[in-house]
Amino acid sequence: EPEVTQTPSHQVTQMGQEVILRCVPISNHLYFYWYRQILGQKVEFLVSFYNNEISEKSEIFDDQFSVERPDGSNFTLKIRSTKLEDSAMYFCASRGGPLIQFFGPGTRLTVL
Amino acid sequence: AQSVTQLGSHVSVSEGALVLLRCNYSSSVPPYLFWYVQYPNQGLQLLLKYTSAATLVKGINGFEAEFKKSETSFHLTKPSAHMSDAAEYFCAVSDRTGTASKLTFGTGTRLQVTL
Repeated sequence: EPEVTQTPSHQVTQMGQEVILRCVPISNHLYFYWYRQILGQKVEFLVSFYNNEISEKSEIFDDQFSVERPDGSNFTLKIRSTKLEDSAMYFCASRGGPLIQFFGPGTRLTVL
Repeated sequence: AQSVTQLGSHVSVSEGALVLLRCNYSSSVPPYLFWYVQYPNQGLQLLLKYTSAATLVKGINGFEAEFKKSETSFHLTKPSAHMSDAAEYFCAVSDRTGTASKLTFGTGTRLQVTL
Protein backbone atom coordinates (compact mmCIF):
# COMPACT_ATOMS: atom_id res chain seq x y z
CA GLU A 1 0.00 0.00 0.00
CA PRO A 2 1.46 3.38 -0.94
CA GLU A 3 2.41 5.62 1.93
CA VAL A 4 3.93 8.97 2.70
CA THR A 5 7.45 8.75 4.06
CA GLN A 6 9.44 11.34 5.99
CA THR A 7 13.10 11.68 6.87
CA PRO A 8 14.67 11.99 9.31
CA SER A 9 12.44 10.63 12.03
CA HIS A 10 14.21 12.82 14.57
CA GLN A 11 16.32 15.93 13.96
CA VAL A 12 18.25 17.74 16.65
CA THR A 13 19.67 21.15 15.81
CA GLN A 14 21.11 24.23 17.45
CA MET A 15 19.12 27.44 17.56
CA GLY A 16 19.83 29.57 14.51
CA GLN A 17 20.73 26.64 12.27
CA GLU A 18 18.92 25.78 9.08
CA VAL A 19 17.07 22.50 8.83
CA ILE A 20 15.45 20.73 5.92
CA LEU A 21 12.74 18.20 6.54
CA ARG A 22 12.07 15.80 3.74
CA CYS A 23 8.95 14.05 2.59
CA VAL A 24 8.17 11.65 -0.21
CA PRO A 25 4.44 11.95 -0.97
CA ILE A 26 2.40 9.20 -2.53
CA SER A 27 3.16 8.88 -6.19
CA ASN A 28 0.65 10.65 -8.45
CA HIS A 29 -0.67 12.84 -5.66
CA LEU A 30 -0.93 16.50 -6.60
CA TYR A 31 -1.57 18.33 -3.33
CA PHE A 32 1.01 18.51 -0.57
CA TYR A 33 0.85 19.81 2.96
CA TRP A 34 2.94 20.44 6.04
CA TYR A 35 1.46 20.45 9.52
CA ARG A 36 3.13 20.66 12.88
CA GLN A 37 2.27 19.59 16.39
CA ILE A 38 3.98 21.21 19.34
CA LEU A 39 4.13 18.81 22.27
CA GLY A 40 0.81 18.72 24.05
CA GLN A 41 -0.91 20.97 21.52
CA LYS A 42 -3.10 20.44 18.50
CA VAL A 43 -1.95 19.64 14.99
CA GLU A 44 -1.66 22.94 13.09
CA PHE A 45 -1.71 23.61 9.37
CA LEU A 46 1.41 25.28 8.01
CA VAL A 47 1.21 25.29 4.23
CA SER A 48 -0.33 23.66 1.19
CA PHE A 49 1.36 23.28 -2.17
CA TYR A 50 -0.15 22.59 -5.56
CA ASN A 51 1.07 22.96 -9.12
CA ASN A 52 4.52 23.98 -7.92
CA GLU A 53 3.37 26.87 -5.82
CA ILE A 54 2.01 27.60 -2.38
CA SER A 55 -1.78 27.57 -2.46
CA GLU A 56 -2.35 28.54 1.15
CA LYS A 57 -0.25 29.23 4.23
CA SER A 58 -0.96 29.94 7.84
CA GLU A 59 0.32 32.84 9.89
CA ILE A 60 2.84 30.44 11.41
CA PHE A 61 4.48 30.04 8.00
CA ASP A 62 6.56 33.20 8.03
CA ASP A 63 9.66 34.18 6.05
CA GLN A 64 11.75 31.67 7.97
CA PHE A 65 9.87 28.83 6.31
CA SER A 66 9.95 27.70 2.73
CA VAL A 67 8.79 24.67 0.79
CA GLU A 68 10.06 23.14 -2.37
CA ARG A 69 9.41 20.24 -4.64
CA PRO A 70 12.89 19.91 -6.12
CA ASP A 71 12.15 16.86 -8.22
CA GLY A 72 9.23 14.62 -9.05
CA SER A 73 9.23 12.80 -5.75
CA ASN A 74 10.44 14.91 -2.83
CA PHE A 75 8.67 17.68 -0.96
CA THR A 76 10.77 19.62 1.53
CA LEU A 77 10.21 22.07 4.35
CA LYS A 78 13.11 24.38 5.16
CA ILE A 79 13.44 26.43 8.29
CA ARG A 80 16.15 29.00 7.72
CA SER A 81 17.08 29.97 11.26
CA THR A 82 15.52 27.73 13.83
CA LYS A 83 14.12 29.01 17.10
CA LEU A 84 13.42 27.13 20.30
CA GLU A 85 9.70 27.42 19.61
CA ASP A 86 10.11 25.55 16.32
CA SER A 87 10.56 22.35 18.31
CA ALA A 88 7.64 20.17 17.27
CA MET A 89 6.55 17.15 15.32
CA TYR A 90 6.25 18.03 11.64
CA PHE A 91 3.85 16.03 9.49
CA CYS A 92 3.80 15.90 5.74
CA ALA A 93 0.59 14.94 3.95
CA SER A 94 -0.43 14.41 0.36
CA ARG A 95 -3.75 14.20 -1.45
CA GLY A 96 -4.59 12.71 -4.80
CA GLY A 97 -8.33 13.00 -5.19
CA PRO A 98 -10.80 15.08 -3.25
CA LEU A 99 -10.74 15.34 0.52
CA ILE A 100 -8.52 12.63 1.91
CA GLN A 101 -5.06 13.58 3.06
CA PHE A 102 -2.57 10.83 3.76
CA PHE A 103 -0.07 11.59 6.47
CA GLY A 104 3.51 10.55 6.98
CA PRO A 105 4.89 9.36 10.33
CA GLY A 106 6.35 12.75 11.14
CA THR A 107 9.74 14.24 11.92
CA ARG A 108 10.41 15.25 15.48
CA LEU A 109 12.45 18.46 15.45
CA THR A 110 14.28 19.42 18.61
CA VAL A 111 15.91 22.85 18.72
CA LEU A 112 18.47 23.33 21.47
CA ALA B 1 -13.10 30.45 10.46
CA GLN B 2 -13.54 26.82 11.28
CA SER B 3 -12.73 25.11 14.53
CA VAL B 4 -13.11 21.81 16.30
CA THR B 5 -13.44 21.12 20.00
CA GLN B 6 -12.73 17.72 21.48
CA LEU B 7 -14.05 17.26 24.98
CA GLY B 8 -11.80 15.16 27.15
CA SER B 9 -8.09 14.95 26.49
CA HIS B 10 -8.00 11.49 28.06
CA VAL B 11 -10.66 8.80 28.01
CA SER B 12 -10.29 5.44 29.71
CA VAL B 13 -12.59 2.49 29.04
CA SER B 14 -12.54 -1.18 29.88
CA GLU B 15 -12.03 -3.72 27.16
CA GLY B 16 -15.43 -4.58 25.71
CA ALA B 17 -17.02 -1.31 26.82
CA LEU B 18 -18.49 1.37 24.61
CA VAL B 19 -16.11 3.98 23.27
CA LEU B 20 -17.44 7.52 22.90
CA LEU B 21 -15.12 10.32 21.85
CA ARG B 22 -16.72 13.73 21.53
CA CYS B 23 -16.20 16.30 18.81
CA ASN B 24 -18.03 19.55 18.20
CA TYR B 25 -17.33 21.76 15.25
CA SER B 26 -17.85 25.33 14.23
CA SER B 27 -18.13 26.22 10.58
CA SER B 28 -19.84 28.96 8.60
CA VAL B 29 -20.35 26.61 5.67
CA PRO B 30 -21.35 22.94 5.54
CA PRO B 31 -18.23 21.15 6.65
CA TYR B 32 -16.34 18.08 5.74
CA LEU B 33 -15.49 16.22 8.96
CA PHE B 34 -12.88 13.60 9.68
CA TRP B 35 -11.59 11.38 12.44
CA TYR B 36 -7.93 10.42 12.37
CA VAL B 37 -6.12 8.01 14.67
CA GLN B 38 -2.48 8.15 15.66
CA TYR B 39 -0.79 5.08 17.07
CA PRO B 40 2.49 5.53 18.92
CA ASN B 41 5.33 6.59 16.65
CA GLN B 42 3.12 6.55 13.59
CA GLY B 43 1.45 9.12 11.38
CA LEU B 44 -2.19 10.09 11.29
CA GLN B 45 -4.45 7.46 9.77
CA LEU B 46 -7.92 8.25 8.49
CA LEU B 47 -10.68 6.43 10.40
CA LEU B 48 -13.69 7.88 8.64
CA LYS B 49 -15.05 10.97 6.93
CA TYR B 50 -18.33 12.84 6.54
CA THR B 51 -19.02 14.54 3.25
CA SER B 52 -22.77 15.26 3.41
CA ALA B 53 -24.01 11.93 2.15
CA ALA B 54 -25.19 9.68 4.99
CA THR B 55 -25.14 11.25 8.44
CA LEU B 56 -24.03 7.98 10.02
CA VAL B 57 -20.59 7.17 8.76
CA LYS B 58 -18.85 3.85 9.21
CA GLY B 59 -15.09 3.64 9.28
CA ILE B 60 -12.34 1.16 9.79
CA ASN B 61 -11.83 -1.03 12.84
CA GLY B 62 -15.52 -0.96 13.81
CA PHE B 63 -15.69 2.79 14.44
CA GLU B 64 -18.54 4.98 13.35
CA ALA B 65 -19.58 8.60 13.76
CA GLU B 66 -22.84 10.46 13.42
CA PHE B 67 -23.10 13.96 12.01
CA LYS B 68 -25.69 16.00 13.91
CA LYS B 69 -26.12 19.43 12.43
CA SER B 70 -28.48 20.61 15.17
CA GLU B 71 -25.85 19.82 17.79
CA THR B 72 -22.83 20.69 15.58
CA SER B 73 -21.38 17.38 16.66
CA PHE B 74 -19.53 14.50 15.09
CA HIS B 75 -18.91 12.07 17.94
CA LEU B 76 -16.94 8.88 17.38
CA THR B 77 -18.21 5.60 18.78
CA LYS B 78 -17.33 1.94 18.88
CA PRO B 79 -19.60 -0.60 20.59
CA SER B 80 -16.82 -2.70 22.11
CA ALA B 81 -13.31 -1.49 22.81
CA HIS B 82 -10.25 -3.61 22.08
CA MET B 83 -6.82 -3.21 23.60
CA SER B 84 -5.54 -2.38 20.12
CA ASP B 85 -7.76 0.73 20.04
CA ALA B 86 -5.47 2.50 22.50
CA ALA B 87 -4.22 5.53 20.58
CA GLU B 88 -4.73 9.25 20.12
CA TYR B 89 -7.80 10.30 18.16
CA PHE B 90 -8.16 13.58 16.32
CA CYS B 91 -11.28 15.17 14.94
CA ALA B 92 -10.74 17.54 12.02
CA VAL B 93 -12.76 19.83 9.79
CA SER B 94 -12.12 20.97 6.26
CA ASP B 95 -13.95 23.66 4.38
CA ARG B 96 -15.44 23.15 0.97
CA THR B 97 -13.98 26.25 -0.59
CA GLY B 98 -10.69 26.67 -2.34
CA THR B 99 -8.31 24.07 -3.63
CA ALA B 100 -6.20 23.70 -0.51
CA SER B 101 -8.80 22.02 1.71
CA LYS B 102 -6.56 22.36 4.73
CA LEU B 103 -7.53 20.45 7.84
CA THR B 104 -8.22 22.15 11.16
CA PHE B 105 -7.69 19.71 14.00
CA GLY B 106 -8.95 19.39 17.52
CA THR B 107 -6.57 18.93 20.42
CA GLY B 108 -6.94 15.17 20.37
CA THR B 109 -8.24 12.57 22.80
CA ARG B 110 -6.01 9.85 24.14
CA LEU B 111 -7.94 6.62 24.51
CA GLN B 112 -6.77 4.15 27.12
CA VAL B 113 -8.22 0.64 27.15
CA THR B 114 -7.89 -1.36 30.34
CA LEU B 115 -8.44 -5.03 31.09
